Amino acid sequence: EAGVAQSPRYKIIEKRQSVAFWCNPISGHATLYWYQQILGQGPKLLIQFQNNGVVDDSQLPKDRFSAERLKGVDSTLKIQPAKLEDSAVYLCASSLDFRGGTQTQYFGPGTRLLVL
Amino acid sequence: AQKITQTQPGMFVQEKEAVTLDCTYDTSDQSYGLFWYKQPSSGEMIFLIYQGSYDEQNATEGRYSLNFQKARKSANLVISASQLGDSAMYFCAMRGPTSNTGKLIFGQGTTLQVKP
Repeated sequence: EAGVAQSPRYKIIEKRQSVAFWCNPISGHATLYWYQQILGQGPKLLIQFQNNGVVDDSQLPKDRFSAERLKGVDSTLKIQPAKLEDSAVYLCASSLDFRGGTQTQYFGPGTRLLVL
Repeated sequence: AQKITQTQPGMFVQEKEAVTLDCTYDTSDQSYGLFWYKQPSSGEMIFLIYQGSYDEQNATEGRYSLNFQKARKSANLVISASQLGDSAMYFCAMRGPTSNTGKLIFGQGTTLQVKP
């Protein structure tokens, strides 16, 4: 079974530029998560989707970050305009369904973003 | 609010020996789940083990076991017979019903280095 796929793996941009990350979850997983991991810290949830609906985006900086999961499968996370403090690893994860059970989240390899 | 604390920034262990990574948590929920993830230098978060708050037995998965002490609110990871490939960052995480979204709250992580 294929795992969570993410691209690109690395991205370097200048501040005020825009950037987009793509995630393809494990087949059949209804719940998709985007986490931000700043160096030396644990991941922090940015946004969570259930199929194509948003479950939690309370920690998403909505003035610059946006995300979508239009067909309930792939997802895109965008930053526009980027700031220096956005330098981090962006991790995508998926689970079968966040409601009930163990609901283990499986993570992709992440995208390392450096904003100069 | 839920909180995870990992007090060991870095640990060393000799190959083939056992090591314990500490994790304490804080929650007012009665139902919650505790997870351990491994993050190698490549960046991917690898699921290791899960413990539910109502599970009476400590979880085990191969060389990994979780020492769950509910009254002390601790969920320490024990790795037996350490291997060089175990060198990585280890994160403890908690999922509870408070937010009812399945969101994981992560600790700061512990870096483990296995010496040959």
